[in-house]
Amino acid sequence: AQKITQTQPGMFVQEKEAVTLDCTYDTSDPSYGLFWYKQPSSGEMIFLIYQGSYDQQNATEGRYSLNFQKARKSANLVISASQLGDSAMYFCAMRGANAGGTSYGKLTFGQGTILTVHP
Amino acid sequence: DGGITQSPKYLFRKEGQNVTLSCEQNLNHDAMYWYRQDPGQGLRLIYYSQIVNDFQKGDIAEGYSVSREKKESFPLTVTSAQKNPTAFYLCASSWQGPDTQYFGPGTRLTVL
Repeated sequence: AQKITQTQPGMFVQEKEAVTLDCTYDTSDPSYGLFWYKQPSSGEMIFLIYQGSYDQQNATEGRYSLNFQKARKSANLVISASQLGDSAMYFCAMRGANAGGTSYGKLTFGQGTILTVHP
Repeated sequence: DGGITQSPKYLFRKEGQNVTLSCEQNLNHDAMYWYRQDPGQGLRLIYYSQIVNDFQKGDIAEGYSVSREKKESFPLTVTSAQKNPTAFYLCASSWQGPDTQYFGPGTRLTVL
């Protein structure tokens, strides 16, 4: 079974500063993927960034980077130069990558972290 | 424009009635998924389909049914057997199982 834990119910950050959102995971799959999604108040889930379990380098997408520490089973999202539009709920998720495995293709989500960016 | 559409955005039904939520995608994705989100919670998988005419139960399939007769469509029926159907329902699709899932705008269902 897969499990995602996000221990920060809410985070506050000043505009233009960086913020780290924590995510730890647990899985028995040797191959897996980790995702971060943003959910604004409108409700739509917006894909931000992906990290494969065998990727050698941390993923980056513009102002988003994923601090992947495999031994610690953590996949923290770092948002640099925060903007007011970054205020939203952020979800960490993972899915198994072994075809035929019980978690193949199925996303397991954490509880989410509400980020508030102050001007 | 390619994307995933869900309709309607808001849906109200009386208790005991079945209701069908629509999900259509024109991304040519093979796999489609239905998730449920309760207030302040993460998403939970209801059903998923990797190919046409095939689908599997997710973690909370009881009280729900789906069909996948066309590649681009994956409707979800919330039946009267679902004990607490009021929630936000999100549909997603991806190329294959392990690929990135992209989500539709969601349908907020309220059962009165």
